[in-house]
Amino acid sequence: DTGVSQDPRHKITKRGQNVTFRCDPISEHNRLYWYRQTLGQGPEFLTYFQNEAQLEKSRLLSDRFSAERPKGSFSTLEIQRTEQGDSAMYLCASSFGSQETQYFGPGTRLLVL
Amino acid sequence: AQSVTQLDSHVSVSEGTPVLLRCNYSSSYSPSLFWYVQHPNKGLQLLLKYTSAATLVKGINGFEAEFKKSETSFHLTKPSAHMSDAAEYFCVVSDLRSSNTGKLIFGQGTTLQVKP
Repeated sequence: DTGVSQDPRHKITKRGQNVTFRCDPISEHNRLYWYRQTLGQGPEFLTYFQNEAQLEKSRLLSDRFSAERPKGSFSTLEIQRTEQGDSAMYLCASSFGSQETQYFGPGTRLLVL
Repeated sequence: AQSVTQLDSHVSVSEGTPVLLRCNYSSSYSPSLFWYVQHPNKGLQLLLKYTSAATLVKGINGFEAEFKKSETSFHLTKPSAHMSDAAEYFCVVSDLRSSNTGKLIFGQGTTLQVKP
């Protein structure tokens, strides 16, 4: 048990709908990361927060994606107008300070029909 | 820019025989390297990490990896495979030292199959 939790674990939606995922990091961790993993591939970085500030976004994060981390605690990732290509596992990870070890949550598996 | 290449997409071994999963890295900085394991329907778990201390790194469940700068390699080994080792393994590099973001850059993964 890494201590990072994600909700929901699974989400099935129809193309064009909006979805929102939540990540609760380990409580003292100030860094939070979102990754996306498609079938048969390694996870790819999406975005990074240090406390409540979103400091980096990948080119993979189109304008349909938005992430927040109010108050530097939990984070949400929203996808608007979902497309079938958004189907993937969305992973959240957290770490503390400059320590490089990231602890991953179980992921949210999204299927867009 | 950092990158990692896992040289085998699939490795099959018999239970009780040694495991070797190969990884080469590319980094303009002294890298931090990791191996993560992902069991079906479970989250990513850290096996071990190298952060410029000892070049031979011991991890959990009997796994170890050796950092070889001259070969830009970080291969994962285990003397004797167990059925429970069957999983997806990822070699990973961190960009913390180059960008301060600390995002992880994953290889494509190696599927380890363990036959009875």
